[in-house]
Amino acid sequence: GQQVMQIPQYQHVQEGEDFTTYCNSSTTLSNIQWYKQRPGGHPVFLIQLVKSGEVKKQKRLTFQFGEAKKNSSLHITATQTTDVGTYFCAGLGAGGTSYGKLTFGQGTILTVHP
Amino acid sequence: DADVTQTPRNRITKTGKRIMLECSQTKGHDRMYWYRQDPGLGLRLIYYSFDVKDINKGEISDGYSVSRQAQAKFSLSLESAIPNQTALYFCATQTGREQYFGPGTRLTVT
Repeated sequence: GQQVMQIPQYQHVQEGEDFTTYCNSSTTLSNIQWYKQRPGGHPVFLIQLVKSGEVKKQKRLTFQFGEAKKNSSLHITATQTTDVGTYFCAGLGAGGTSYGKLTFGQGTILTVHP
Repeated sequence: DADVTQTPRNRITKTGKRIMLECSQTKGHDRMYWYRQDPGLGLRLIYYSFDVKDINKGEISDGYSVSRQAQAKFSLSLESAIPNQTALYFCATQTGREQYFGPGTRLTVT
């Protein structure tokens, strides 16, 4: 079945440093979504990327979708303590048994030291 | 955000007991999902339902069952709980693009 691998599992940064998490799918995706889960909270939708090579920005967050629609990244510039949490990518299957289902990556736990 | 609610929020149960986790939504969404979250494993899909008459197994359905009582209600049952079902369980709904998650149920099986 479809697998989505996400690295790194953990990232510790000093406030003001940049952060990147990467996602790779075993199959071509219809789209990819990103979620953030604050400590003790539930996942909250951040963004969806649909087109090959798409790049979207939300303030200090930059999301990219690979040309082959099998990989994606989230980059945070100049991290702040409010960025702490777990970031998940989730790929939507393009067909077959993966159709209509999101497969989540393992998540990257971001810690920001003030 | 109280559009997706889960009960109970915390539960400790013993091995072999039957337990039901409940999910209700006021968003009017047809699609509902049950996930479990374990450290280092992300969110894994247990069951999903695209409407009241459509229920499908996810990647880790063994040991679980579900019931879609109405558009707004989707329950997850553990027929005979075992310790490796200790996890954080999330219900989610979806229409169109994004999924909306409930607050989660932390289940401990001793």
